[in-house]
Amino acid sequence: GAGVSQTPSNKVTEKGKYVELRCDPISGHTALYWYRQSLGQGPEFLIYFQGTGAADDSGLPNDRFFAVRPEGSVSTLKIQRTERGDSAVYLCASSSMTGGGYGYTFGSGTRLTVV
Amino acid sequence: QKEVEQNSGPLSVPEGAIASLNCTYSDRGSQSFFWYRQYSGKSPELIMFIYSNGDKEDGRFTAQLNKASQYVSLLIRDSQPSDSATYLCAVIGAQKLVFGQGTRLTINP
Repeated sequence: GAGVSQTPSNKVTEKGKYVELRCDPISGHTALYWYRQSLGQGPEFLIYFQGTGAADDSGLPNDRFFAVRPEGSVSTLKIQRTERGDSAVYLCASSSMTGGGYGYTFGSGTRLTVV
Repeated sequence: QKEVEQNSGPLSVPEGAIASLNCTYSDRGSQSFFWYRQYSGKSPELIMFIYSNGDKEDGRFTAQLNKASQYVSLLIRDSQPSDSATYLCAVIGAQKLVFGQGTRLTINP
């Protein structure tokens, strides 16, 4: 597609529920990144895919968070047993260059609210 | 020490003046540096990147890099109210962008 597409744009869920956030990167971009941004803070790295594999998942806060990119295009971030502290904007970005050397293009984000 | 540090602001600048935004980074081996603009409720938008020491100009924006001092800055000339946003500094670290917390800039008409 022309840009990075993220769905849903907003998600409200109850504490303890499971959520999935979807990212559709720019066509042909092999690198895909997930970040989380809390109010007043910069984006915080979660995980990076190069193709289908997770090249770096060091930013995932705990084992409730998991992400996949089975065909090297669309990615899904999965959060189990959600907690109120998971509330944030989840940003997806893609890049044509490994390591993001020319910067990323971000999607519009998914605002997750856990009540 | 955070990898990328910015003054969170807010920074207020009169319309037409020069806005100066600063950023320091901890990894002396960093090679690539980026400035993103983020309007309230929107996602970050890349405005400039710089790799070499010195200045890089693009329209009203100038990025400045000093690797010896581990310092990168963004100057906005002839500031406009539409420049009011949060400006995020980012550095490539371990093949991913590491962001500062951002500086909130307000341009006063």
